[in-house]
Amino acid sequence: GENVEQHPSTLSVQEGDSAVIKCTYSDSASNYFPWYKQELGKGPQLIIDIRSNVGEKKDQRIAVTLNKTAKHFSLHITETQPEDSAVYFCAASIQGNNRLAFGKGNQVVVIP
Amino acid sequence: DTEVTQTPKHLVMGMTNKKSLKCEQHMGHRAMYWYKQKAKKPPELMFVYSYEKLSINESVPSRFSPECPNSSLLNLHLHALQPEDSALYLCASSQIAGQVYEQYFGPGTRLTVT
Repeated sequence: GENVEQHPSTLSVQEGDSAVIKCTYSDSASNYFPWYKQELGKGPQLIIDIRSNVGEKKDQRIAVTLNKTAKHFSLHITETQPEDSAVYFCAASIQGNNRLAFGKGNQVVVIP
Repeated sequence: DTEVTQTPKHLVMGMTNKKSLKCEQHMGHRAMYWYKQKAKKPPELMFVYSYEKLSINESVPSRFSPECPNSSLLNLHLHALQPEDSALYLCASSQIAGQVYEQYFGPGTRLTVT
């Protein structure tokens, strides 16, 4: 099955700086890549996703890039704010398949 | 509106108790999911319902019994649980279409088994 690896496991950034989280996947058939943000005591929140027919997608301060050849995708958060502090999970899925293969998660800490 | 609701928020139960977790969505989604999440880990898929029929059971012990009474509701019946079953139980839903579809999660039920 699909295997998703996520790096780094913990990331600390100064408020206002950028944060980048990288994920790699193993199954070249994967074609959907969502990112979830999970704050303490809450459920995962879908913040952005990308499909394999595009290379980049942006939504205000967050963006996701996809490199199908290298089988990796990244989340970029610009102008980080304290409320960006959370655990971020990447995931991968194949069209028609209900399963999401999650990465292990990345703790992002934004230092005021 | 992408809201999935879950009740209760917290549940403490003994190993001999029977309890149920409830999940509801009104987005017209026809796929609903139960996940289990341990601390500092990603969600683990337990069950998937597609058009109110169980389509995936990830070899979950029979002490967990899912039920989908209608397209908006999903229940998880719990009986004779073990302390290691203590976790955050998440419900999610998604549309069913030919393309891949976004999964939206609820806030979860924090379960403690004593």
